[in-house]
Amino acid sequence: DAMVIQNPRYQVTQFGKPVTLSCSQTLNHNVMYWYQQKSSQAPKLLFHYYDKDFNNEADTPDNFQSRRPNTSFCFLDIRSPGLGDAAMYLCATGYSGSLQETQYFGPGTRLLVL
Amino acid sequence: GENVEQHPSTLSVQEGDSAVIKCTYSDSASNYFPWYKQELGKGPQLIIDIRSNVGEKKDQRIAVTLNKTAKHFSLHITETQPEDSAVYFCAAWGNTNAGKSTFGDGTTLTVKP
Repeated sequence: DAMVIQNPRYQVTQFGKPVTLSCSQTLNHNVMYWYQQKSSQAPKLLFHYYDKDFNNEADTPDNFQSRRPNTSFCFLDIRSPGLGDAAMYLCATGYSGSLQETQYFGPGTRLLVL
Repeated sequence: GENVEQHPSTLSVQEGDSAVIKCTYSDSASNYFPWYKQELGKGPQLIIDIRSNVGEKKDQRIAVTLNKTAKHFSLHITETQPEDSAVYFCAAWGNTNAGKSTFGDGTTLTVKP
C-alpha cells in the first residue's frame, strides 16, 4: 500500500551528537512536513517543503534542519540534540492543489536523548 | 494566525454511549477541517473531514458538523467501542495558513467496557 514510512521508529542519541531522521513516501505528494510532538500535546509544525521550496516556521530552532533530495524522501537533521528535543517526530505528506488538503502521517520516530 | 481550541481535554464514556468533541477556530478564511485519531505510539490518522461548503458529513458511526457562522465544528461518535479509545485532534486549514493546518490540543477519549 502507498504510505509514509519513517525510519528508524526509535532513535537513541547522546546529548550534542548529531542525528538524522528519515521519511519516505510512495504517494508522490508534493508537500512534506515535519512535526515535533511531545507527550500529551498536539503536533507542532517545524517546517515543510512545497516541492523543493523550504518553509521554516518562525519559532523552529536553528538546531533543526531539513533536506529533501527528491520527491520521495525528506530528512530531519538535529545538529546538537538537547534533552528538550526528546519527542516523537512525525513526518506527513500532502498534495497541495487538490480539493482536499489531506495530510497523511507516518508512524513517527521516537527520539531519546541521553 | 489561526487559533483552534478543543474541548474537552479528556472524555470518558461507557461502551455504547455517544461521544462529542468540540472545536472552535478563529480565522473565518479557514475552509477545511480534518479530524485525526492517534493511538498510543502511532502517528495521527485521518478519520473524517469536512469542507466549509458542507454543514455535516457522516461515515458510519462517525459524523462531523460545521457551523461557519459560529466558527465551530464537532466530532460525534455513536455506539462507542473500546477500540475508539485514543487521542483525537481537530485541525483547521485555510489558504491564509499557506498550506498548513493548525491543530487543537487534543482530547483523550476513554471508552469503558
